[in-house]
Amino acid sequence: DVKVTQSSRYLVKRTGEKVFLECVQDMDHENMFWYRQDPGLGLRLIYFSYDVKMKEKGDIPEGYSVSREKKERFSLILESASTNQTSMYLCATGLAGIYNEQFFGPGTRLTVL
Amino acid sequence: AQKITQTQPGMFVQEKEAVTLDCTYDTSDQSYGLFWYKQPSSGEMIFLIYQGSYDEQNATEGRYSLNFQKARKSANLVISASQLGDSAMYFCANSDNNNDMRFGAGTRLTVKP
Repeated sequence: DVKVTQSSRYLVKRTGEKVFLECVQDMDHENMFWYRQDPGLGLRLIYFSYDVKMKEKGDIPEGYSVSREKKERFSLILESASTNQTSMYLCATGLAGIYNEQFFGPGTRLTVL
Repeated sequence: AQKITQTQPGMFVQEKEAVTLDCTYDTSDQSYGLFWYKQPSSGEMIFLIYQGSYDEQNATEGRYSLNFQKARKSANLVISASQLGDSAMYFCANSDNNNDMRFGAGTRLTVKP
């Protein structure tokens, strides 16, 4: 079974802090994704990566950056957290190709005060 | 980027009846995939069913079937013989040649006993 883990289930940070969300997968998947989930908006793609050191912007990259130094790890960075970044963050992984489903981590609920 | 629309924020169905959850998509690619995921109150994302753009037959997986109408760009999920455990959020998603995946806003299904 694919295992996708995220570093924290719940996180509380203060405005202006730098925040790191980590995602690790154990199935050698090429693709990794970061989404945020908000009520009524569904899942919105922040960034994705199809290879080590490669990254592509999704629909809402502003205020976020990512890092993928190793194939199994994809980090989401909030350079200076703001209250409007309070959300559920979901990491997903998948094999390359359009016909492959994604596997999700349990999510991190981030609250920025 | 592709766009997914789910027009039903909430749906109710009586236990043991069938229900259809709507999904329309908008992509300029000829090759693409369509997916449905279930998210129960526990928050995990569960892959349900997949349809490829060149598949001529509608996909089926147990009580789930995907009503794929390519010309109308719709990929509705049909759940037959609803069960109480089907109560959850349901997300439609679309993958394309850019290696990414986009999700709709979701439909909250409630199964009544």
